Formats: sequence, structure tokens, C-alpha cells
Amino acid sequence: QVQLQESGPGLVKPSETLSLTCTVSGGSISSYYWSWIRQPPGKGLEWIGYIYYSGRTTYNPSLKSRVTISVDMSKNQFSLKLNSVTAADTAVYYCARGDSGSGSYYKDGWETYYYYYIDVWGKGTTVTVSS
Amino acid sequence: SSELTQDPAVSVALGQTVRITCQGDSLRTYCASWYQQKPGQAPVLVIYGKNNRPSGIPDRFSGSSSGNTASLTITGAQAEDEADYYCNSRDSSDNHLVFAGGTKLTVL
Repeated sequence: QVQLQESGPGLVKPSETLSLTCTVSGGSISSYYWSWIRQPPGKGLEWIGYIYYSGRTTYNPSLKSRVTISVDMSKNQFSLKLNSVTAADTAVYYCARGDSGSGSYYKDGWETYYYYYIDVWGKGTTVTVSS
Repeated sequence: SSELTQDPAVSVALGQTVRITCQGDSLRTYCASWYQQKPGQAPVLVIYGKNNRPSGIPDRFSGSSSGNTASLTITGAQAEDEADYYCNSRDSSDNHLVFAGGTKLTVL
């Protein structure tokens, strides 16, 4: 059974860089989409970005200028760097595994549908931005 | 990137049926996936695709969709179903993921 574990500093100073690593155990990092998702205290989930195992990245436009996600296949890990942090970046950060697919159904002709889902989540790590 | 919207809160009497909805343009192309989150815990996938349940998810959870609206239905809600529920989808134009703001489900 695949498990994910986040690691990194729990406290980061304003204007510095937040760095987290997610270690994948019980399975290979090959294939799948590997995401970072965060949740500020008392608020909802916010997708930060993901990396496909090939190295292709996609980022949330609202964070794109500050985010880098990378993968290390040899260590079965992927990482997040978020620079120039402020108090607004204080959150629980989750790493997660996603996958996509498609199917067809008949309704007045054959139609194709697509789906994406996140089936494995890390427990999350709290990062506080404070001086 | 598109947005997804959910009602902030819904309540249901124990044993009754409740529907949680999610709206957004991305749902016309990509199915919604649904997650249950209890306090202090990571989210758990409960529905994905047209109406697929991961192993271990009770069959009282089901999903459906029409146009730009996806729904999560709990038939015979149990006390342990009280949680926050989030829908998630992917924008086909730029492959960005998006989460709705979540619905807090209270089981009375």
C-alpha cells in the first residue's frame, strides 16, 4: 500500500523559502501525478501544483511565480519550494498522488468523459510563517 | 482556470438522504471527485469518475452529474458521515486542478 510522508521545517521566516519533501513508500514514483495541496487554518483546500513522473509541472496560476516542484526518482521523493513566503502561506501542507482516465457512455450517441482523482494523501505537515 | 462552488453547509437527519452539489464549467468535461475530511485528518477520496467508489468506501455514497453540476449523495446518512466534503476537478484547457470551498455536513 502506497504511503506518503511530508517532511521539512515547521517554521519559516517571512520572505524566506518554504521547502518540503514528500517520500513515497510502498510503491514507485513512476507514473501518476504528484501534487502539493495546502489548507490554511479553518479554510478549504488549495491546490498548489503537481508534477508528472516525467518531470512535467503544472502550477496554480495564483502561486506560479513563487513555486517550484521537482521529483527525484532515485530517492522516490518529490519536493516543493515556495519562495518569498508571508503569513498567508501558513497552512497544513499535504503531498498527494493523483491519476487520470477516461471512459465512454452512450447518450444520443457515444460521449467521452474524463476524470482526475487524488487517491493517496500524506498526513500533512503544519508550516507556520512567522519571525 | 475555472472555479467550483459548493454550498458552505448542509444538514441531514440521521438515516435520511442528503445531496451535496458542486457547480463549475470544468465539470462539463471532467467528472468531479469527492473527498471527505474529518477534523485533524487528511482528506479521503470517496467518489471519482462517473460513480466509482474506492475500496472501503460504503455504498451509501454515490455520485452523479448533469451539465455543469456534480452531486454527491449519501443515502442513509450515519453519524460518522459528519465531515467536510470537497469536490475537485480538472480544467481541460490548462490541466489545472481546482477545489471547491467545501461543504460542512452536519448529521442531526
